[in-house]
Amino acid sequence: GAGVSQSPSNKVTEKGKDVELRCDPISGHTALYWYRQRLGQGLEFLIYFQGNSAPDKSGLPSDRFSAERTGESVSTLTIQRTQQEDSAVYLCASSPGVWGQGYTFGSGTRLTVV
Amino acid sequence: TQLLEQSPQFLSIQEGENLTVYCNSSSVFSSLQWYRQEPGEGPVLLVTVVTGGEVKKLKRLTFQFGDARKDSSLHITAAQPGDTGLYLCSGTYKYIFGTGTRLKVLA
Repeated sequence: GAGVSQSPSNKVTEKGKDVELRCDPISGHTALYWYRQRLGQGLEFLIYFQGNSAPDKSGLPSDRFSAERTGESVSTLTIQRTQQEDSAVYLCASSPGVWGQGYTFGSGTRLTVV
Repeated sequence: TQLLEQSPQFLSIQEGENLTVYCNSSSVFSSLQWYRQEPGEGPVLLVTVVTGGEVKKLKRLTFQFGDARKDSSLHITAAQPGDTGLYLCSGTYKYIFGTGTRLKVLA
Protein backbone atom coordinates (compact mmCIF):
# COMPACT_ATOMS: atom_id res chain seq x y z
CA GLY A 1 0.00 0.00 0.00
CA ALA A 2 0.90 3.65 -0.12
CA GLY A 3 1.45 3.93 3.60
CA VAL A 4 1.63 1.92 6.80
CA SER A 5 -1.81 0.75 7.83
CA GLN A 6 -2.72 -0.20 11.39
CA SER A 7 -5.89 -1.76 12.69
CA PRO A 8 -7.95 -1.30 14.67
CA SER A 9 -7.48 2.43 15.14
CA ASN A 10 -9.07 2.20 18.60
CA LYS A 11 -9.50 -0.74 20.92
CA VAL A 12 -11.17 -0.83 24.32
CA THR A 13 -10.71 -4.06 26.24
CA GLU A 14 -11.34 -5.36 29.69
CA LYS A 15 -8.46 -6.04 32.02
CA GLY A 16 -7.27 -9.63 31.65
CA LYS A 17 -8.37 -10.03 28.03
CA ASP A 18 -5.97 -10.69 25.15
CA VAL A 19 -5.68 -8.24 22.25
CA GLU A 20 -4.15 -8.42 18.77
CA LEU A 21 -2.97 -5.35 16.90
CA ARG A 22 -2.22 -5.49 13.20
CA CYS A 23 0.26 -3.64 11.01
CA ASP A 24 0.48 -3.64 7.21
CA PRO A 25 3.84 -2.14 6.21
CA ILE A 26 4.75 -0.43 2.97
CA SER A 27 5.26 -3.01 0.24
CA GLY A 28 8.97 -3.74 -0.19
CA HIS A 29 10.00 -2.45 3.23
CA THR A 30 12.02 -5.18 4.85
CA ALA A 31 12.21 -3.62 8.32
CA LEU A 32 9.25 -3.30 10.67
CA TYR A 33 9.15 -1.79 14.16
CA TRP A 34 6.63 -1.60 16.98
CA TYR A 35 6.65 1.25 19.48
CA ARG A 36 4.51 2.14 22.46
CA GLN A 37 3.61 5.73 23.28
CA ARG A 38 1.98 6.48 26.58
CA LEU A 39 -0.08 9.66 26.91
CA GLY A 40 2.14 12.72 26.64
CA GLN A 41 5.28 10.63 26.38
CA GLY A 42 7.87 9.75 23.75
CA LEU A 43 8.29 6.51 21.82
CA GLU A 44 9.26 3.31 23.61
CA PHE A 45 10.82 0.68 21.34
CA LEU A 46 9.21 -2.76 21.56
CA ILE A 47 10.40 -5.04 18.75
CA TYR A 48 12.18 -4.96 15.38
CA PHE A 49 11.87 -7.30 12.41
CA GLN A 50 14.35 -7.31 9.52
CA GLY A 51 13.58 -9.63 6.64
CA ASN A 52 13.86 -13.26 7.66
CA SER A 53 16.32 -12.60 10.49
CA ALA A 54 15.46 -13.34 14.10
CA PRO A 55 13.58 -10.35 15.53
CA ASP A 56 15.10 -8.05 18.13
CA LYS A 57 12.72 -8.46 21.05
CA SER A 58 14.82 -6.53 23.54
CA GLY A 59 12.19 -3.84 24.08
CA LEU A 60 9.26 -6.06 24.99
CA PRO A 61 8.31 -5.10 28.57
CA SER A 62 7.12 -8.54 29.71
CA ASP A 63 6.34 -12.02 28.47
CA ARG A 64 2.72 -10.95 28.02
CA PHE A 65 3.85 -9.15 24.89
CA SER A 66 4.70 -10.98 21.67
CA ALA A 67 4.80 -10.19 17.98
CA GLU A 68 4.96 -12.08 14.74
CA ARG A 69 5.68 -11.18 11.17
CA THR A 70 5.22 -13.38 8.15
CA GLY A 71 8.09 -12.76 5.76
CA GLU A 72 8.11 -9.11 4.81
CA SER A 73 4.40 -8.56 5.16
CA VAL A 74 1.85 -8.16 7.91
CA SER A 75 2.80 -8.11 11.58
CA THR A 76 0.66 -8.68 14.64
CA LEU A 77 1.42 -7.53 18.16
CA THR A 78 -0.32 -9.59 20.83
CA ILE A 79 -0.78 -8.54 24.42
CA GLN A 80 -2.02 -11.27 26.73
CA ARG A 81 -3.85 -10.72 30.00
CA THR A 82 -3.97 -6.96 29.47
CA GLN A 83 -3.35 -4.62 32.39
CA GLN A 84 -4.35 -1.00 32.81
CA GLU A 85 -0.73 0.09 32.41
CA ASP A 86 -0.84 -1.35 28.87
CA SER A 87 -3.13 1.54 27.86
CA ALA A 88 -1.23 3.51 25.23
CA VAL A 89 -0.95 4.16 21.51
CA TYR A 90 0.88 1.36 19.73
CA LEU A 91 2.71 2.60 16.66
CA CYS A 92 4.07 0.51 13.83
CA ALA A 93 6.71 1.74 11.40
CA SER A 94 8.44 0.29 8.39
CA SER A 95 11.60 1.21 6.51
CA PRO A 96 13.61 -0.02 3.52
CA GLY A 97 15.97 -1.64 6.02
CA VAL A 98 19.05 0.37 5.14
CA TRP A 99 20.75 2.29 7.96
CA GLY A 100 20.01 5.98 7.69
CA GLN A 101 16.67 5.51 5.95
CA GLY A 102 13.89 7.02 7.98
CA TYR A 103 10.82 5.27 9.25
CA THR A 104 7.29 5.60 7.88
CA PHE A 105 4.78 5.33 10.68
CA GLY A 106 1.18 4.27 10.77
CA SER A 107 -1.40 6.31 12.66
CA GLY A 108 -1.34 3.87 15.55
CA THR A 109 -3.80 1.82 17.57
CA ARG A 110 -5.10 3.50 20.71
CA LEU A 111 -5.53 0.77 23.31
CA THR A 112 -7.58 1.43 26.42
CA VAL A 113 -7.75 -1.21 29.13
CA VAL A 114 -10.67 -0.75 31.51
CA THR B 1 19.88 5.60 30.70
CA GLN B 2 18.35 7.76 27.98
CA LEU B 3 20.67 7.83 25.00
CA LEU B 4 19.03 10.81 23.32
CA GLU B 5 18.08 13.78 25.48
CA GLN B 6 16.01 16.56 23.96
CA SER B 7 15.55 20.05 25.32
CA PRO B 8 13.48 21.88 26.13
CA GLN B 9 10.80 19.35 27.01
CA PHE B 10 8.00 21.88 26.47
CA LEU B 11 7.92 25.14 24.57
CA SER B 12 5.03 27.55 24.13
CA ILE B 13 5.67 30.59 21.94
CA GLN B 14 3.82 33.26 19.99
CA GLU B 15 3.44 33.13 16.24
CA GLY B 16 6.37 34.81 14.51
CA GLU B 17 8.96 33.99 17.17
CA ASN B 18 12.11 31.97 16.51
CA LEU B 19 13.09 28.89 18.48
CA THR B 20 15.72 26.20 18.72
CA VAL B 21 15.37 22.69 20.09
CA TYR B 22 18.25 20.38 20.87
CA CYS B 23 19.02 16.68 20.70
CA ASN B 24 22.06 15.53 22.67
CA SER B 25 23.81 12.24 23.24
CA SER B 26 27.05 10.86 24.60
CA SER B 27 27.11 8.40 21.69
CA VAL B 28 28.23 8.97 18.14
CA PHE B 29 25.61 8.38 15.47
CA SER B 30 26.22 7.58 11.83
CA SER B 31 23.06 9.50 11.02
CA LEU B 32 20.23 11.23 12.82
CA GLN B 33 16.66 11.97 11.88
CA TRP B 34 14.12 14.53 13.00
CA TYR B 35 10.39 13.81 13.06
CA ARG B 36 7.27 15.82 13.84
CA GLN B 37 4.20 14.18 15.35
CA GLU B 38 0.78 15.82 15.34
CA PRO B 39 -2.04 14.68 17.65
CA GLY B 40 -3.62 11.40 16.59
CA GLU B 41 -0.97 10.67 14.00
CA GLY B 42 2.33 8.84 13.78
CA PRO B 43 5.60 10.78 13.54
CA VAL B 44 6.53 12.07 10.09
CA LEU B 45 10.13 12.23 8.93
CA LEU B 46 11.40 15.77 8.38
CA VAL B 47 15.08 15.27 7.61
CA THR B 48 18.08 12.95 7.86
CA VAL B 49 21.54 14.36 8.62
CA VAL B 50 24.60 12.25 7.99
CA THR B 51 27.80 14.31 7.95
CA GLY B 52 29.30 16.04 10.98
CA GLY B 53 28.67 19.78 10.71
CA GLU B 54 25.99 19.30 8.08
CA VAL B 55 23.25 21.92 7.81
CA LYS B 56 19.98 21.23 6.03
CA LYS B 57 17.13 23.63 5.44
CA LEU B 58 13.49 22.79 4.94
CA LYS B 59 11.60 26.05 4.36
CA ARG B 60 11.67 27.79 7.77
CA LEU B 61 13.33 24.83 9.51
CA THR B 62 17.11 24.58 9.77
CA PHE B 63 18.72 21.36 10.99
CA GLN B 64 22.32 21.02 12.09
CA PHE B 65 24.34 17.93 12.93
CA GLY B 66 27.17 18.49 15.40
CA ASP B 67 30.75 18.18 14.23
CA ALA B 68 31.27 15.12 16.44
CA ARG B 69 27.93 13.62 15.36
CA LYS B 70 26.73 13.44 18.98
CA ASP B 71 24.20 16.23 18.88
CA SER B 72 21.81 18.07 16.61
CA SER B 73 19.64 21.15 16.63
CA LEU B 74 16.46 22.25 14.94
CA HIS B 75 15.87 25.96 14.47
CA ILE B 76 12.48 27.29 13.38
CA THR B 77 12.25 30.83 12.03
CA ALA B 78 9.01 32.79 12.35
CA ALA B 79 7.06 29.94 13.90
CA GLN B 80 3.48 29.38 12.79
CA PRO B 81 0.59 27.54 14.49
CA GLY B 82 1.04 24.76 11.93
CA ASP B 83 4.44 24.02 13.48
CA THR B 84 2.72 22.85 16.65
CA GLY B 85 3.54 19.25 17.50
CA LEU B 86 5.94 16.85 19.16
CA TYR B 87 9.45 17.00 17.69
CA LEU B 88 11.49 13.83 18.01
CA CYS B 89 15.05 12.99 17.08
CA SER B 90 16.18 9.46 16.32
CA GLY B 91 19.66 8.05 16.05
CA THR B 92 20.86 4.94 14.29
CA TYR B 93 21.32 2.93 17.44
CA LYS B 94 18.84 0.43 18.81
CA TYR B 95 15.98 2.15 17.00
CA ILE B 96 15.69 4.71 19.76
CA PHE B 97 13.98 8.06 19.81
CA GLY B 98 14.72 11.07 21.91
CA THR B 99 12.60 12.24 24.82
CA GLY B 100 10.81 14.76 22.56
CA THR B 101 10.07 18.48 22.56
CA ARG B 102 6.42 19.43 22.68
CA LEU B 103 5.98 22.73 20.82
CA LYS B 104 2.89 24.90 20.87
CA VAL B 105 2.71 27.98 18.68
CA LEU B 106 -0.01 30.43 19.66
CA ALA B 107 -1.74 32.56 17.03
